[in-house]
Amino acid sequence: GAVVSQHPSRVICKSGTSVKIECRSLDFQATTMFWYRQFPKKSLMLMATSNEGSKATYEQGVEKDKFLINHASLTLSTLTVTSAHPEDSSFYICSARDRATGGDSNQPQHFGDGTRLSIL
Amino acid sequence: EDKVVQSPLSLVVHEGDTVTLNCSYEVTNFRSLLWYKQEKKAPTFLFMLTSSGIEKKSGRLSSILDKKELFSILNITATQTGDSAVYLCAVQTGGGNKLTFGTGTQLKVEL
Repeated sequence: GAVVSQHPSRVICKSGTSVKIECRSLDFQATTMFWYRQFPKKSLMLMATSNEGSKATYEQGVEKDKFLINHASLTLSTLTVTSAHPEDSSFYICSARDRATGGDSNQPQHFGDGTRLSIL
Repeated sequence: EDKVVQSPLSLVVHEGDTVTLNCSYEVTNFRSLLWYKQEKKAPTFLFMLTSSGIEKKSGRLSSILDKKELFSILNITATQTGDSAVYLCAVQTGGGNKLTFGTGTQLKVEL
């Protein structure tokens, strides 16, 4: 149980392109999903918390107009990197917590497989 | 700024060895500490620790938290090649949504 699917797993595109990444909870519903970014040999860094039916909460230093988050349903959140540049190249990974637990913070987050984004 | 530090950064052992991975933290408003195993892709959940001194066990893996010393260890006994992975430590703070991760310990188990 608690499977999170992320798509695509790998994206290579030109500078200036917008890229959309999907995060789906397959066997549970998630009121809250989380988006992380990981640079080589660095920690996973939380970018934003995605809330179903409301605006995402962004961490300090993360541009909300650059990284658009939509959480339209209880099983899907999307992250769109707008007008991507080479410095946006990174590993993006999402996680979700099972709504059935009440979104209880005493329950773990379950992670997707991540998306390797390369901007040329 | 919240900080999570893991050591060692990497480790190579032989099958059958016992390893201890370390995680120390300095955070505001601690809620819990989590351990994840990351092989090629998604980190998979291992343990969540909220109370000091209570060991959690799952097969050959065990973990314990010391909230006074702001420290946790993850033990793996009788290691196998399938234990090779990056082990991530994360601390949950505040309202419980934010996870701050360490950089991980890369474990390689050789025959």
